[in-house]
Parts: sequence; structure tokens; C-alpha cells
Amino acid sequence: NAGVTQTPKFRVLKTGQSMTLLCAQDMNHEYMYWYRQDPGMGLRLIHYSVGEGTTAKGEVPDGYNVSRLKKQNFLLGLESAAPSQTSVYFCASKYRPFDQPQHFGDGTRLSIL
Amino acid sequence: SQQGEEDPQALSIQEGENATMNCSYKTSINNLQWYRQNSGRGLVHLILIRSNEREKHSGRLRVTLDTSKKSSSLLITASRAADTASYFCATVVNDYKLSFGAGTTVTVRA
Repeated sequence: NAGVTQTPKFRVLKTGQSMTLLCAQDMNHEYMYWYRQDPGMGLRLIHYSVGEGTTAKGEVPDGYNVSRLKKQNFLLGLESAAPSQTSVYFCASKYRPFDQPQHFGDGTRLSIL
Repeated sequence: SQQGEEDPQALSIQEGENATMNCSYKTSINNLQWYRQNSGRGLVHLILIRSNEREKHSGRLRVTLDTSKKSSSLLITASRAADTASYFCATVVNDYKLSFGAGTTVTVRA
């Protein structure tokens, strides 16, 4: 079982460049999430999706866009990268019920110069 | 804003000792979950406790929940070097969103 797979694992961008982070899950989970993790701040929710074709904003959505065209994939886009977006990005997925845990990928470490 | 806040921020213990960390939260919850994060890895789910439960055990883990005080604690007994990690509590209010605290970093010394 692959679980939740994130690509790429590392990336360095220049300010103003764009890129897409890919998250793929093979557990048939309905819900998928993108978080960013910064030192001392825990995980902050960027965007989430409760099903194919649906997305919603989390706590810190500015500067990011997402798409979920297929149930197993959740894409996070940075249209014009800024140094403040330097972070570790985590994707997670879960089944719908309240008492189901989230399953996480191993993260994408993104540096913006 | 973060719902849960862990205390202490960091904890250093000797192998074989117990480690206790606490989580406080602000609003009513459906359940509370604890996760572990090893360096350079994603979070891994450890244990879930529902709002109508007061205590739960899983192996060397013991979790308590006091909804009147809006707090939870995670106890790791007989710690091992492999328990060195960051631990996060996450509160669940609805079926789609978890709110994570900033975490407790635990170092187990050999």
C-alpha cells in the first residue's frame, strides 16, 4: 500500500515562479487536505476537498489554488511564489466519518528564494 | 486559529521514564486525536478519544479527556529512543476538519 504520496519531495523556486504540488492517495478516501507546517506553528490548513470536483478554503488560502478532478488526486498550485510560502507542505486524506483519522504524506519541502 | 495548544513545548526524558504532555482546547469537540511526527516525516495517527470517553489505552499510550476543563493528556510509559518525536493533538468539531496544536517535542535520552 502506497497510502498518501506527495511529489516532489523537495523543490527550490525563485520568487514569481509557479509550480504544482501533487498528492495521490490509494485508499479511496473522500476527503483530502493541504497543510503547511512552519516552525513553532503546527499545521495550518490551506485548502481541503470533501469530494471529487469540490474544494474549499482553509485558514491560510491566500496565494494558493487547488483542484480535485479525480477522487484520488489533490493538486496544490502556487501561481506566483513568494518567500513567505517557504514551508513544508503536507497532504492528508481520510474517510468521511467523524471518528476517522487523517493519513499523511511525507511532505514537500519548498524553498522560495 | 489553532484550537488545541500543547504543553510543554519540549520535553527531555531518560529512556524508561514516562512522558506526559497536555492539550487544551477552546470549543466543544466531537473527538480528540493524537498524532506523532518523526523528523522529516508526515504525521502518524496514534489514538482517538471521543467526547463521551474519559480514558483510553493503546499499548504504552494512555490518553485522558476532561471535557469540563477542555483538556486532554497523553502519557507514554516506559519510553524508548524510538519515541523521540513531536506529538500533536488535534480536535475534531465536524466530519471534515481537524485543528492541530503546535506540538510537543519529546527527546528520549539513552
